[in-house]
Amino acid sequence: GQSLEQPSEVTAVEGAIVQINCTYQTSGFYGLSWYQQHDGGAPTFLSYNALDGLEETGRFSSFLSRSDSYGYLLLQELQMKDSASYFCAGVDSNYQLIWGAGTKLIIKP
Amino acid sequence: EAGVVQSPRYKIIEKKQPVAFWCNPISGHNTLYWYLQNLGQGPELLIRYENEEAVDDSQLPKDRFSAERLKGVDSTLKIQPAELGDSAVYLCASSLGGVPREQYFGPGTRLTVT
Repeated sequence: GQSLEQPSEVTAVEGAIVQINCTYQTSGFYGLSWYQQHDGGAPTFLSYNALDGLEETGRFSSFLSRSDSYGYLLLQELQMKDSASYFCAGVDSNYQLIWGAGTKLIIKP
Repeated sequence: EAGVVQSPRYKIIEKKQPVAFWCNPISGHNTLYWYLQNLGQGPELLIRYENEEAVDDSQLPKDRFSAERLKGVDSTLKIQPAELGDSAVYLCASSLGGVPREQYFGPGTRLTVT
């Protein structure tokens, strides 16, 4: 099976950079996805890493290290609208998405 | 292009009553998922369909939950009878076939069982 761990809460300042970490344990692993969810909203896809390294999409970047069973989401130039919960989710050998418990990002002006 | 559509958005029922949720995925998406999400937690998979076939329903409490996806398009999730612990948000998502790297979610149905 799989389990993913991420911090429950992270606080940052508007305009700054923040990194949300995710470690996983898995018996089969295809890749790591990241989703954003605002309060009362649905999760929306941010990025997916199948290979080691950094994937960049605008202000958001995601990193994966398979040897360390570790990934992170990097958010730059933080804006107040980035306040949300961020989930890492691993794709296992059954093509099932296993979700972390989420990290609540609090942004202060 | 229309996104994933779910209805109703909110539902309040008394325990032991039945309830049903409906989902219409994005056109062309073969894979459909039903998730349950409790406050402060990540989504938990209930069932996954590949076209009409339920390929993963290991987490579906089959004594009270049932689902169908007739014709491989829209889907219905039913709970009968509902229990207090079923109060949660029920999310439907869809994706193209293969590795589910990117799932598209509907707005969810917030169920309150009293």
